[in-house]
Amino acid sequence: DAKTTQPTSMDCAEGRAANLPCNHSTISGNEYVYWYRQIHSQGPQYIIHGLKNNETNEMASLIITEDRKSSTLILPHATLRDTAVYYCIVRDLAHNFNKFYFGSGTKLNVKP
Amino acid sequence: DARVTQTPRHKVTEMGQEVTMRCQPILGHNTVFWYRQTMMQGLELLAYFRNRAPLDDSGMPKDRFSAEMPDATLATLKIQPSEPRDSAVYFCASGLTGGGGITGELFFGEGSRLTVL
Repeated sequence: DAKTTQPTSMDCAEGRAANLPCNHSTISGNEYVYWYRQIHSQGPQYIIHGLKNNETNEMASLIITEDRKSSTLILPHATLRDTAVYYCIVRDLAHNFNKFYFGSGTKLNVKP
Repeated sequence: DARVTQTPRHKVTEMGQEVTMRCQPILGHNTVFWYRQTMMQGLELLAYFRNRAPLDDSGMPKDRFSAEMPDATLATLKIQPSEPRDSAVYFCASGLTGGGGITGELFFGEGSRLTVL
């Protein structure tokens, strides 16, 4: 039931910014954009979420386009430990209540 | 350091045996999720609970799977009888739900890797 489209994989050089895109062209006004990542053999880890405005925390920045049909997760200085599968998820807090549906995600390979 | 705890971390069993996986959500969290992950299907939502009540288990095979929360500190996922196709990593996650649903983080455990021979 994922409503997002992400590239299957991306490469990034260590120390450079990693920009992970996500398309959510059918997003509605009530839906938030969430990003999680899953490092090999571990449980998924929350990164960031937003509704309309750009957001930044200690892990990443989230840039949401003005029409909200796409977003980009930015890891400003990627390290080898950032190699993981990154999931972009949209959630309607009011109607889809608590469900988090994970799509296929983007496998980010950070290379030395 | 609050975390979701899952046991066992690894389980190998034979087809037909009963398997029980346990999850201790983060203290104070009122919503618990069960996910299953395989290479072919990715992360599938099996069931979730709020305040110990099952809200949705539509993703769970009803004939052999059951999920319960005997108390606020324990969630269980049981498979009886187990089959080879149940081999997967099972994740438990917890969060705090307010009036409009979970607004922030969903915390995942490290998973229980099940192999059914």
